Order: sequence, then C-alpha cells, then structure tokens
Amino acid sequence: AQTVTQSQPEMSVQEAETVTLSCTYDTSESDYYLFWYKQPPSRQMILVIRQEAYKQQNATENRFSVNFQKAAKSFSLKISDSQLGDAAMYFCAYRRSSYDKVIFGPGTSLSVIP
Amino acid sequence: NAGVTQTPKFRVLKTGQSMTLLCAQDMNHEYMYWYRQDPGMGLRLIHYSVGEGTTAKGEVPDGYNVSRLKKQNFLLGLESAAPSQTSVYFCASSYSILAGSQETQYFGPGTRLLVL
Repeated sequence: AQTVTQSQPEMSVQEAETVTLSCTYDTSESDYYLFWYKQPPSRQMILVIRQEAYKQQNATENRFSVNFQKAAKSFSLKISDSQLGDAAMYFCAYRRSSYDKVIFGPGTSLSVIP
Repeated sequence: NAGVTQTPKFRVLKTGQSMTLLCAQDMNHEYMYWYRQDPGMGLRLIHYSVGEGTTAKGEVPDGYNVSRLKKQNFLLGLESAAPSQTSVYFCASSYSILAGSQETQYFGPGTRLLVL
C-alpha cells in the first residue's frame, strides 16, 4: 500500500528566508503524481505545486520548488523568500496514475516569523 | 467561475440525526471526492465518483453514503450521525485521468461538522 510521510509536524522560518519541508512516500509504481497542498487558516486546500514522476526536471512555481528524488522516494518542498502569507499547514500528496485515489501525508505546520 | 463550493459551512448535529452535505463544481470535472480531515491525520478519502451516476468507496466509507445524480453535484449523507463523525469535510474535483496530466484536484472551502 502506498503511504506518505511527513516527518516534521512543525517548522518555522524567518521572513525572507528559505525553508524546506520534507516528504517521503512508499510505492511500487513507476508512474505517479506528487503534490504539495497548502491549507491556510481559512481551511481551503490550495494546490502549490505538482510533479509527474516520469519527469526528471524538478517542478517550480515562483518561490516554490521541489527536490524530487525518485530513487529515494523523496519529494521536498522549498519555499524561498518566505512571506507571512506562507504560514499554513502543508500537505504532501501522492496519486497513482492509473487510479484516482490521492493519499495525503499528515501535514507540516509552517510558521513564518516576522 | 466559482470552482468548488460546499454547503453548509458549519453544522451542529445531535447523535442520531441525519444530514446531507452538498458539493458543487462548475468546471465540468468528471471526478469528485469527499474527504474528512482530523487533527494529525491529514485527509482521508470517504467516497469518490468517477462520473455521473457512479460512486465508489474510499478509505473510510462506513457511516456515509453518497450520490452523484448530476455531474456537477456530489452529495455526502450521514444517515445517523455519531460523535466520531465530528470533523472537517472537504469536497474536491478533478478531470478524468483520460485527459492526460489533468490530475490536479481542486478543493472546496470545507464544512465543519460537530456531532454532540
């Protein structure tokens, strides 16, 4: 069975600094999708970034980038130039390409210190 | 384009009462999902639907029923609410996987349910 692990329940970062959130997953599939979702206090889930496993190039979205290590089954999120609005719960998620179920990690709560 | 909307935003129920949560999407998505979110457990899939008229069980389906009579709506029902169903419920939708890389799920704002 696929699992997603986020080993950091809480993280903090100074405003304008860089922070990396860790995620590891377990799968026997070769083709799949990985996601990072952000959940601010408003509770709405917002897609931050996605990565297709067949792509070797790491995905980037403005200040957000990932370090995808397929062999190590690692998918970390790097937030550069952290802003106060980045404070939220961040969920790593996995989805098999041929099946629609998305598996979420337990989340990492990120605080941004002014 | 409202995206994914959920009704109601918040509800208090007594044990044994029933209720229906409504999810609506205006993106013509084939797939729709219901999750529950509990502290320290991330999101867990309750039921999902791969198209109008079809539904399937997720990880934690017991105590819930769903219906997808119209493509744009996905209803989650609790026939006899229990305190263990106190949670935040999220609906999501996505394109069919046949649409290639359109795997992204779009979430609604959530419904907070308290069962006393």
